[in-house]
Amino acid sequence: DAKTTQPTSMDCAEGRAANLPCNHSTISGNEYVYWYRQIHSQGPQYIIHGLKNNETNEMASLIITEDRKSSTLILPHATLRDTAVYYCIVREYNFNKFYFGSGTKLNVKP
Amino acid sequence: GAVVSQHPSWVICKSGTSVKIECRSLDFQATTMFWYRQFPKQSLMLMATSNEGSKATYEQGVEKDKFLINHASLTLSTLTVTSAHPEDSSFYICSARTVREKLFFGSGTQLSVL
Repeated sequence: DAKTTQPTSMDCAEGRAANLPCNHSTISGNEYVYWYRQIHSQGPQYIIHGLKNNETNEMASLIITEDRKSSTLILPHATLRDTAVYYCIVREYNFNKFYFGSGTKLNVKP
Repeated sequence: GAVVSQHPSWVICKSGTSVKIECRSLDFQATTMFWYRQFPKQSLMLMATSNEGSKATYEQGVEKDKFLINHASLTLSTLTVTSAHPEDSSFYICSARTVREKLFFGSGTQLSVL
């Protein structure tokens, strides 16, 4: 069962930062936060994951609050190709289950 | 990132026939693979967890005799939809877990049952 809450949709102007929030208030100490995105009719694409500390890679940054009850995925300079459904997933290390919630549809507009 | 190959990309079949979908991890060994299905404008729904060398674990409500999963090697898992019917038409997606606890997905298979 999904343990996350995300807004249904968001708009972002091309070239601006896209900040996608995720609420995971019931997260436990050994659970990681993962972010994936799915472009229409394709398999989901891994973006980033983290446990407590903020993380950054070539695609995005992940900011996790100190109490770990929420996080934000940041796409620093959104492009039209970033239009997709973004999924925030909470899962234990060495997991055997990986459930998707409803995700956020990000619309990047010119 | 790691590559997961899924084949075929799309398949059209007659009602009552069986369809096999393959999922391969191309550059890593995957002891665990997952199978999902997705209906239009909906999220991915986990169907089953496939562990190499053992029986798959199915989610509640998923018929194990309908959706046969085989994970015979560390790089290959197959999903067979047996006696397919129009209501089985869906987008099926596999994924494989790496040792670094990332999950990589195949490109999906669109199944249409006539």
